[in-house]
Amino acid sequence: GAGVSQSPSNKVTEKGKDVELRCDPISGHTALYWYRQSLGQGLEFLIYFQGNSAPDKSGLPSDRFSAERTGGSVSTLTIQRTQQEDSAVYLCASSLRGQAGEQYFGPGTRLTVT
Amino acid sequence: AQRVTQPEKLLSVFKGAPVELKCNYSYSGSPELFWYVQYSRQRLQLLLRHISRESIKGFTADLNKGETSFHLKKPFAQEEDSAMYYCALTEGAGNQFYFGTGTSLTVIP
Repeated sequence: GAGVSQSPSNKVTEKGKDVELRCDPISGHTALYWYRQSLGQGLEFLIYFQGNSAPDKSGLPSDRFSAERTGGSVSTLTIQRTQQEDSAVYLCASSLRGQAGEQYFGPGTRLTVT
Repeated sequence: AQRVTQPEKLLSVFKGAPVELKCNYSYSGSPELFWYVQYSRQRLQLLLRHISRESIKGFTADLNKGETSFHLKKPFAQEEDSAMYYCALTEGAGNQFYFGTGTSLTVIP
């Protein structure tokens, strides 16, 4: 079956513009995670969705970042008024409920803010 | 607070030599520990988890609660082991997942 997909694969935007990153999890996976991968910073947790529960937003770095998950499936990460320090690879992962350790990752979206 | 520490950003070993990638964690409960790997131009993927006590691609990792460590080991490194390795921890119950900063392993032919 299809794995986790993300779009776009690459995004170049000007400082100050808003961007939307999309994630399609594996069908049937109720848990969805967003991470940011920066050089030398490893993987930074951003937000976690589990089914219809309120998301865990504790990892979002500022109020310019938000995410939603519609219908318990597709998720969109939105970054408003992008800054150069937002440049990174944004990874999405999904897992079955209660199987947080076995996450399936998407290919990522490489965001470059100029 | 950093829950997962990988002290080595870069590690190089010769083919056939033993390799150990260090991971230390900070958590007072009973965490679950994992190793994830990302090969060049591939997606990040699960390598192994401590509760399985398994050996994957010749790699093993033992959870040492006394030393709060979960080092990844392989007795004889192969060129195809060259990759980025991340140690990770979850507090269980599908909660937040914490990754370390990663170690880039290069196996020299």
